[in-house]
Amino acid sequence: ETAVFQTPNYHVTQVGNEVSFNCKQTLGHDTMYWYKQDSKKLLKIMFSYNNKQLIVNETVPRRFSPQSSDKAHLNLRIKSVEPEDSAVYLCASSLGQDQDTQYFGPGTRLLVL
Amino acid sequence: GDKVKQSPSALSLQEGTNSALRCNFSIAATTVQWFLQNPRGSLMNLFYLVPGTKENGRLKSAFDSKESYSTLHIRDAQLEDSGTYFCAAEANSAGNKLTFGIGTRVLVRP
Repeated sequence: ETAVFQTPNYHVTQVGNEVSFNCKQTLGHDTMYWYKQDSKKLLKIMFSYNNKQLIVNETVPRRFSPQSSDKAHLNLRIKSVEPEDSAVYLCASSLGQDQDTQYFGPGTRLLVL
Repeated sequence: GDKVKQSPSALSLQEGTNSALRCNFSIAATTVQWFLQNPRGSLMNLFYLVPGTKENGRLKSAFDSKESYSTLHIRDAQLEDSGTYFCAAEANSAGNKLTFGIGTRVLVRP
């Protein structure tokens, strides 16, 4: 049963454009995450938020910025996309920030032309 | 993928047979999670493990923190078991972030 929702499912855009991805969880969790899955299927964490506060910010380009309005929402904005940003972006949530099961959304597939 | 090494990288199974997937850790893993990513891309959590063993239906998983490995056993494989299986570990040295392996692609044949 899907409880982590992501929009859009797919997005195709051109280099230099701005894109924004949305994520919402209905599990009542305190912590949310953004992961990037590259073409080799490797999943790497980008950001995590606990109760609207940034707790993990991996070394990602500054054009990426997470935005959280409340603990149920964590959006991801990419200011000026580059070809290497083409990937699947997965949102996840967990009850707390340490040692808790993570539940993933269906992902947003980004293609930068 | 270096800190969490999964094997094999790919697996082809006859329906009804059994198999095992493995993860070896070069970090001091404290907890392990196993996920299945289906062909559409959805990632489903299978197990959350502290050191020990868990079983759920035809799946069984074990995590040995001293020997730094985890296994996932599939019994009586079904077609819907096809997909990519990921293990991910938390470690204090990694700030309790999940570090993922590169995945094992499993294809169950009729």
